[in-house]
Amino acid sequence: GAVVSQHPSRVICKSGTSVKIECRSLDFQATTMFWYRQFPKKSLMLMATSNEGSKATYEQGVEKDKFLINHASLTLSTLTVTSAHPEDSSFYICSAGPRGAMNTEAFFGQGTRLTVV
Amino acid sequence: GESVGLHLPTLSVQEGDNSIINCAYSNSASDYFIWYKQESGKGPQFIIDIRSNMDKRQGQRVTVLLNKTVKHLSLQIAATQPGDSAVYFCAEHTGGFKTIFGAGTRLFVKA
Repeated sequence: GAVVSQHPSRVICKSGTSVKIECRSLDFQATTMFWYRQFPKKSLMLMATSNEGSKATYEQGVEKDKFLINHASLTLSTLTVTSAHPEDSSFYICSAGPRGAMNTEAFFGQGTRLTVV
Repeated sequence: GESVGLHLPTLSVQEGDNSIINCAYSNSASDYFIWYKQESGKGPQFIIDIRSNMDKRQGQRVTVLLNKTVKHLSLQIAATQPGDSAVYFCAEHTGGFKTIFGAGTRLFVKA
C-alpha cells in the first residue's frame, strides 16, 4: 500500500517554543491530508483538513493560530504547534488521500509523540 | 472534532476463540466504513473496509458486518491470536477522505 511518513516520530520541547511536524506521502500525491490528535487511551480526534495550495479547514474547537498547518506541495503537509504548553503533549497522527482516488481509505502515518516540558 | 464517544471498552478473549467487536457510527450519510487496528505508539493500520451497499464483507480471518438501519458495525476475528491484541477502531468517511473514528475497543488475547 501507499506510504505516509511522519517526522519526527518523537519530540520533546520546552514550554513556549514551537515545534513542527512533517507528514509526507512517499509514493503518491495527496491534495488532501488530515491531522489528528490522540490522548492516551482515547480515540483519534480530527483536528483539521489540510488542503494543498489553500487554507486548512479546522474542526470546531481547534485553535488555528495554535496549530498552524501548511500544505505547500502535493506530498507534504506540516503541523506547527506554536507556543507549546504541557497540555499540548499528545500523539499527533496524519493521513493522506491519494490524488484522483475516489472513496478509498486514507493512508496513515506512524504518528509523532510530542512531549512539552 | 467529531467522535463517537470517548471511552475505551475492553474485550478479553481466550486464544483460539472468536472475537466480536462492535461499534456505533454517527452519520447516516456515511457510505464507506473501515476497521483499523492500532498498536501502542503506532498509527492506525487498515484491516478491512465495507461500503454502504453491502452488509457483509470477509477477509482473511476477519469479517465486517454493517447494519445501516441502526448505524452499527461489527468486526469478527476468527481464531484470535496473541498478535491480535491491540486497540480496534471503526471509522466512517463523511466525505472524500475525511475519516471520523469511533471510540475504540481494546482487545486482550489470553494465551
